[in-house]
Amino acid sequence: GGIITQTPKFLIGQEGQKLTLKCQQNFNHDTMYWYRQDSGKGLRLIYYSITENDLQKGDLSEGYDASREKKSSFSLTVTSAQKNEMAVFLCASSSGGEQYFGPGTRLTVL
Amino acid sequence: GDQVEQSPSALSLHEGTGSALRCNFTTTMRAVQWFRKNSRGSLINLFYLASGTKENGRLKSAFDSKERYSTLHIRDAQLEDSGTYFCAAEGYGSSGNKLIFGIGTLLSVKP
Repeated sequence: GGIITQTPKFLIGQEGQKLTLKCQQNFNHDTMYWYRQDSGKGLRLIYYSITENDLQKGDLSEGYDASREKKSSFSLTVTSAQKNEMAVFLCASSSGGEQYFGPGTRLTVL
Repeated sequence: GDQVEQSPSALSLHEGTGSALRCNFTTTMRAVQWFRKNSRGSLINLFYLASGTKENGRLKSAFDSKERYSTLHIRDAQLEDSGTYFCAAEGYGSSGNKLIFGIGTLLSVKP
């Protein structure tokens, strides 16, 4: 088995601020993902990476950057936080089939 | 684009009863996953299917790629089954095994 760790658990930012979310996995999975979940909606894909240093845009990539520094870690940056934004950001990983999810980072922008 | 239509959006069950959740797909999908979001907000993996059916305790899931649907059956519902259930499907031709999520079903199990 393995585990996905996301930091921080809660993130509070100011409008216009650049914010970074981190994800680590010890499954040794090749592919990692960042999803955003808004209340009342399903998860939407922001970025994904199929190997170290690879980046692929998802449906919701505008306003975000990502970085796959090494196989086990995948970071997401909110380039300019929007006022009143509230969402949960979920990281996932897979080896080509079933995806496993981290516990999420809850973002609030004041 | 490819869509996943999940129903119902909300479901109320009495303890000991059962029901089914369903996801319809607008196109042929390669595989489906079912998750439950627990009280802490974590997504718990329930099933991963590329075809056929799987059963785990009081839960059973089926996936028919040709007919473009998947179901999750819950029997003998317990209070701890309450939560939001999501289906997510992986399309053919999608690099990185990207998942398309349904909007979720909020299940409430009452005594």
